[in-house]
Amino acid sequence: QKEVEQDPGPLSVPEGAIVSLNCTYSNSAFQYFMWYRQYSRKGPELLMYTYSSGNKEDGRFTAQVDKSSKYISLFIRDSQPSDSATYLCAMIPFGSGNTGKLIFGQGTTLQVKP
Amino acid sequence: GAVVSQHPSWVICKSGTSVKIECRSLDFQATTMFWYRQFPKQSLMLMATSNEGSKATYEQGVEKDKFLINHASLTLSTLTVTSAHPEDSSFYICSARDLGREQYFGPGTRLTVT
Repeated sequence: QKEVEQDPGPLSVPEGAIVSLNCTYSNSAFQYFMWYRQYSRKGPELLMYTYSSGNKEDGRFTAQVDKSSKYISLFIRDSQPSDSATYLCAMIPFGSGNTGKLIFGQGTTLQVKP
Repeated sequence: GAVVSQHPSWVICKSGTSVKIECRSLDFQATTMFWYRQFPKQSLMLMATSNEGSKATYEQGVEKDKFLINHASLTLSTLTVTSAHPEDSSFYICSARDLGREQYFGPGTRLTVT
């Protein structure tokens, strides 16, 4: 079993839809959670970073963490064709020291159709 | 802020030659840099972690004599693929971290070995 599970999709939605992207994890030591967006043949771009249960909002993006269920989500409101990309969740376990090594999900490919 | 660059963005080399890829943090000092490899439609695979002034820590299964990493300063890390072979063809991405836990990724380098 992978430490971080993420449905690779692809996920196809119409423009303007609300998108929900999710990851589950098995290691309760994970304490820091990030969402990255990666366009084809580009490096990942940090979208959201959170370390506590609950919601964090930034523009059209909301990151949600439920540590009791070991489940994190990224919501995209009013999705746009420019949101079409691969979304990667990533986590850092507490006590990882100075390494800060990220554990990635597989990534979900999102396509927003005009 | 938090910009990471990579050079070159794309390189083609002949089998048996060595290739050097540079990773620079442009507007912050990176205490730790990471090197990843990504195959098509797959997530990022961490190859090694490097801290400025010390030897890199390689992930299991990564040949340290083949993938030479030098973290010469707080803004520069290099990855040298020695005696490259076609199976080394991949997308290589670096990331950098300052004192926080966020990692900022470079745009990636596409290596093609013929």
